[in-house]
Amino acid sequence: EADIYQTPRYLVIGTGKKITLECSQTMGHDKMYWYQQDPGMELHLIHYSYGVNSTEKGDLSSESTVSRIRTEHFPLTLESARPSHTSQYLCASSEDRVRQETQYFGPGTRLLVL
Amino acid sequence: GNSVTQMEGPVTLSEEAFLTINCTYTATGYPSLFWYVQYPGEGLQLLLKATKADDKGSNKGFEATYRKETTSFHLEKGSVQVSDSAVYFCALFNAGNNRKLIWGLGTSLAVNP
Repeated sequence: EADIYQTPRYLVIGTGKKITLECSQTMGHDKMYWYQQDPGMELHLIHYSYGVNSTEKGDLSSESTVSRIRTEHFPLTLESARPSHTSQYLCASSEDRVRQETQYFGPGTRLLVL
Repeated sequence: GNSVTQMEGPVTLSEEAFLTINCTYTATGYPSLFWYVQYPGEGLQLLLKATKADDKGSNKGFEATYRKETTSFHLEKGSVQVSDSAVYFCALFNAGNNRKLIWGLGTSLAVNP
């Protein structure tokens, strides 16, 4: 059973506010990911990390930033939320394997920016 | 480059019907292939996987066979249930692609009683 947690599950916030979406995993995985998922279902990778002090931008440009100070923690921050940031944000983690990897997902955070 | 093409939805079936969701891929080398499922209001979870040609992944009555000759990994289930209603994602992992998963667009399945 995967142990990856996201908080909050739902967030409604006004334009211009700073927000941090939390993601934690207890599996000791080196790799972690943030995806943005719109109502049309498609997954967009926005950030990933290979380990502590490693962060990379994903395939979809995002105004958000991430940090990886501890293995288990990979928070995502929006300095100034806008309505265009309204979406679902999914965090995932995996072991770093060459041949194949299974990603484990958190339950997601649904963000609504008014 | 690497890519995954997945059957468009939504797919609507009656309970106990046969399900096929098509997935084809383009990749260099020998990728691993996955099906993930996302139930309403939840994150994704791994449904099944196959790591080499002719492997068959199976779980919860779902099956998919890694066909290198047709570059396909179609998802099948003989008799769907209402509880199978979800979004299904096909994905590919290729070590040469910065070790990231390549995702299909997702196929929504609704099963009616």
